[in-house]
Amino acid sequence: KAGVTQTPRYLIKTRGQQVTLSCSPISGHRSVSWYQQTPGQGLQFLFEYFSETQRNKGNFPGRFSGRQFSNSRSEMNVSTLELGDSALYLCASSAIPGSREQYFGPGTRLTVT
Amino acid sequence: AQTVTQSQPEMSVQEAETVTLSCTYDTSESNYYLFWYKQPPSRQMILVIRQEAYKQQNATENRFSVNFQKAAKSFSLKISDSQLGDTAMYFCALQYSGGGADGLTFGKGTHLIIQP
Repeated sequence: KAGVTQTPRYLIKTRGQQVTLSCSPISGHRSVSWYQQTPGQGLQFLFEYFSETQRNKGNFPGRFSGRQFSNSRSEMNVSTLELGDSALYLCASSAIPGSREQYFGPGTRLTVT
Repeated sequence: AQTVTQSQPEMSVQEAETVTLSCTYDTSESNYYLFWYKQPPSRQMILVIRQEAYKQQNATENRFSVNFQKAAKSFSLKISDSQLGDTAMYFCALQYSGGGADGLTFGKGTHLIIQP
């Protein structure tokens, strides 16, 4: 069974631009969660999608948004990028929300200059 | 809101030794899961071991075991016969079973270094 895939793996953007990151969950998994990892703040929950609906959202500004498609693939979008958005963005896949089995993708390293 | 605290930013032990990583947490919920994740230099987050809060028996996975003290809200990870490949960041995490507003709540991590 293929694991969680995230594309692209690395990305360099300029302040003010927007970016879209993609996450494909494990086949059969319908829940996707996104996390931001920075040296200062650690790992922080962004949002969770299940069956194309956002179930929960962490404490992030409205510039951070996401969606989920009917095949469970999810995208997250960050508009008007700021230097502080530089981070590793991880997505986690599970069959259902709150599952005891969550599997992470390799992450997308975003650098904002 | 729940919190997870890892008080050891970095630990270093010799290969083959046993090491214990500490984690404490705070939550008002009664049904939750606790996890230890490993993040090697590749940055891939790997699940090491998990514990259901309703289970009194401590989870074990080969060389990895936990000491779960529910009343004390403590969840430590013991690595026996440590190997060079165990060198990584280790994160303790908590999640309400059935999903919750905060997803997985992580501690700040412990950088474990296994010396040859």
